Amino acid sequence: EVQLVESGGGLVQPGGSLRLSCAASGFTFSSYEMNWVRQAPGKGLEWLSYISSSGSSIYYADSVKGRFTTSRDNARNSLDLRMNSLRAEDTAVYYCAREKRAADAFDIWGQGTMVTVSS
Amino acid sequence: DIQMTQSPSSLSASVGDRVTITCQASQDISNYLNWYQQKSGKAPKLLIYDASNLETGVPSRFSGSGSGTDFTFTISSLQPEDIATYYCQQYDNHPPFTFGPGTKVDV
Repeated sequence: EVQLVESGGGLVQPGGSLRLSCAASGFTFSSYEMNWVRQAPGKGLEWLSYISSSGSSIYYADSVKGRFTTSRDNARNSLDLRMNSLRAEDTAVYYCAREKRAADAFDIWGQGTMVTVSS
Repeated sequence: DIQMTQSPSSLSASVGDRVTITCQASQDISNYLNWYQQKSGKAPKLLIYDASNLETGVPSRFSGSGSGTDFTFTISSLQPEDIATYYCQQYDNHPPFTFGPGTKVDV
């Protein structure tokens, strides 16, 4: 079964750090571009970051640039999001999402992991 | 960056009704538009890609059309399981990928 499973969410104080992981299974992870998307409570979807299949190209939304770092380990079928200098407005459910081959659409999503930034 | 708007922000319809949602881009994005469905507490699900292509396994009552700046998403006959929020997403000159604010559909 094609699957993405996020982990690593939790409660963190403002200014703190957290690392999210996304474990891929059921497909050739190294062949797919990947993204992170988040959703604040009661709000819409916000794209955060893109990483190419090889990991050589990475892009970020302005809202997280310089604070968040995306990486991948194709040998371990894993995608990471390292989050530093966390703010209250980073409180959200974080999703990893696979980009569909030959179409720039997110066809597979993880179940999401909740990050709460609060003192 | 390209901005996306959707209308209406919410709607209520009856089972069997035809439902139409519009999405407008702040500039020409050709057909670089996707539609997603998100049910409460769940991850989004891809329904339509490249403005009008139905994702595999998605019921044919869902359809999309449009190009340039104006796009339409249609549910031809609303079903109870279609209660969800629907988002458009542009990917012209990406990243960034930009989502619309969403349309909440109630039955």
